[in-house]
Amino acid sequence: GQSLEQPSEVTAVEGAIVQINCTYQTSGFYGLSWYQQHDGGAPTFLSYNALDGLEETGRFSSFLSRSDSYGYLLLQELQMKDSASYFCAVSDQAGTALIFGKGTTLSVSS
Amino acid sequence: ETGVTQSPTHLIKTRGQQVTLRCSSQSGHNTVSWYQQALGQGPQFIFQYYREEENGRGNFPPRFSGLQFPNYSSELNVNALELDDSALYLCASSSTAAKNEQFFGPGTRLTVL
Repeated sequence: GQSLEQPSEVTAVEGAIVQINCTYQTSGFYGLSWYQQHDGGAPTFLSYNALDGLEETGRFSSFLSRSDSYGYLLLQELQMKDSASYFCAVSDQAGTALIFGKGTTLSVSS
Repeated sequence: ETGVTQSPTHLIKTRGQQVTLRCSSQSGHNTVSWYQQALGQGPQFIFQYYREEENGRGNFPPRFSGLQFPNYSSELNVNALELDDSALYLCASSSTAAKNEQFFGPGTRLTVL
């Protein structure tokens, strides 16, 4: 079977740093993506890792360890607008189906 | 550049009916994927279309079917609706040049009574 595990909820305050972990068990693996979804909105792409290591995009960074079947999303300098659901997703081939985790709800308070 | 659009926004149907949902992909994108998202869950892959051909299918029964048109827009058809089909249906498009980044539309909220 295919499964992705991520925490269901995370809370933090403005200005803090938060790490959302994702472990996966899938029949094939090509890359790990992260998407953000605000309530009632469309998922939006944040990052993609195909190789081990850290990818940085502004306040957000994503890490992958293929040998550990593990990745994380790091959010720095948290802002209220970062309150949303964050999904990790695995693709088993380039550009094909995304298998999503159940999502992590991040609540940022002042 | 126009993003991914979907219609209708909301839809209410009864059990046993049929429904067609529509998606216009982002300009320059030739691949469309459909996902079903139940409340509080992550999106689940239904199928993907590339250049009008089905290019992968998730664990959904045959009553879920689709089409992609020459302009790369797409339809999702669901026959014999069941209560469990109530969900947000998301369409996502991507390009050959950036296959790993999918752009999602706002979704169609389907309620089956």
